[in-house]
Amino acid sequence: AQSVAQPEDQVNVAEGNPLTVKCTYSVSGNPYLFWYVQYPNRGLQFLLKYITGDNLVKGSYGFEAEFNKSQTSFHLKKPSALVSDSALYFCAVRPMDMGRRALTFGSGTRLQVQP
Amino acid sequence: DGGITQSPKYLFRKEGQNVTLSCEQNLNHDAMYWYRQDPGQGLRLIYYSQIVNDFQKGDIAEGYSVSREKKESFPLTVTSAQKNPTAFYLCASRRLAGDRDTQYFGPGTRLTVL
Repeated sequence: AQSVAQPEDQVNVAEGNPLTVKCTYSVSGNPYLFWYVQYPNRGLQFLLKYITGDNLVKGSYGFEAEFNKSQTSFHLKKPSALVSDSALYFCAVRPMDMGRRALTFGSGTRLQVQP
Repeated sequence: DGGITQSPKYLFRKEGQNVTLSCEQNLNHDAMYWYRQDPGQGLRLIYYSQIVNDFQKGDIAEGYSVSREKKESFPLTVTSAQKNPTAFYLCASRRLAGDRDTQYFGPGTRLTVL
């Protein structure tokens, strides 16, 4: 069975500093990987995805993520954090060979950006 | 959140009651999903549907039921058999052609049992 791990419940970073939110996955075969962001009492917003190709994926709001097959990781990064980036971030995975195409989500990482 | 609406935003249920959560999308997406979100547990799949009049159980379907009579609508009923229904419920949809893998989410319904 596939799984996603987000090892940090919370990440604190100062505004203007680079941020990283970690994600590792376990899945048979090649994965499709996603990052979503959730603001309080809101639905999830799609940030970016990796399907194939370049290991560095660029997404919305200046975020990017690096796919590392050997480390089975897909860490979310941003060069310069903003206070408005403070939110809950979810990593998700979908194996290529699953018929239902449903996503398996990590438990989420709360990002707190201090001014 | 655009294109997917969920109602109500907040819902309160008494013990023993069934309640229905609405999910409507105008994105012309074929597949629709219901997830449950609990603090510290991420999202868990309840039910999904890839075409009208067909749906499949997800990982935590017990105590829930769905219908898919129209492409645009995928209501979720939380029955009295669901022992711990207090949670945030999220509906999502996805195309079956083109960008087939990205799911788009509604704003959610927060259900509280009184």
